[in-house]
Amino acid sequence: KAGVTQTPRYLIKTRGQQVTLSCSPISGHRSVSWYQQTPGQGLQFLFEYFSETQRNKGNFPGRFSGRQFSNSRSEMNVSTLELGDSALYLCASSLLAGGTKNEQFFGPGTRLTVL
Amino acid sequence: SQQGEEDPQALSIQEGENATMNCSYKTSINNLQWYRQNSGRGLVHLILIRSNEREKHSGRLRVTLDTSKKSSSLLITASRAADTASYFCATEKTSYDKVIFGPGTSLSVIP
Repeated sequence: KAGVTQTPRYLIKTRGQQVTLSCSPISGHRSVSWYQQTPGQGLQFLFEYFSETQRNKGNFPGRFSGRQFSNSRSEMNVSTLELGDSALYLCASSLLAGGTKNEQFFGPGTRLTVL
Repeated sequence: SQQGEEDPQALSIQEGENATMNCSYKTSINNLQWYRQNSGRGLVHLILIRSNEREKHSGRLRVTLDTSKKSSSLLITASRAADTASYFCATEKTSYDKVIFGPGTSLSVIP
């Protein structure tokens, strides 16, 4: 089975721009979660989608949004980029909704640099 | 604030030694997981322990959970250079809650 794929792998943007990141979960997995990882804040939960519905949301401003399509693929969007948005964005898929009771499989991440 | 906190922040050991990492959390949890992250393989799930379990093994890994002390430990026996990575504990308070990761322990295994 193919793993979780994320595109693009690397991205450089300037302040004020917007960006869209894509995640394709493992075939058959219906839950996709997004995390932001930075050296200072560690791994922080952004949101989780299950069957096209947002189930959980972390403490991020409204500039961060996401969606899930009927084929379970997910996108996250960050508008009006700030320098502090530079991070590794990780996507994780799991078979069902919810976290630890269902093992999460992580993608390689998208490294976003905001200049 | 972080639900889980790993201790120590960094650990350096010789190959063949055992490595122990601890995770403390603040509120009651449903389950706890340990993950490993290195540059080669990204973030990988290691083991899940449910709140009604006290100990679990997987190969060279042993995880314990003490819900009365709100803490968990990960023991890696007979460490190898390939075990060099950051290790994170992750918790969720209820079955459908968001998963919260701790800041991680950086483990260096010296050949």
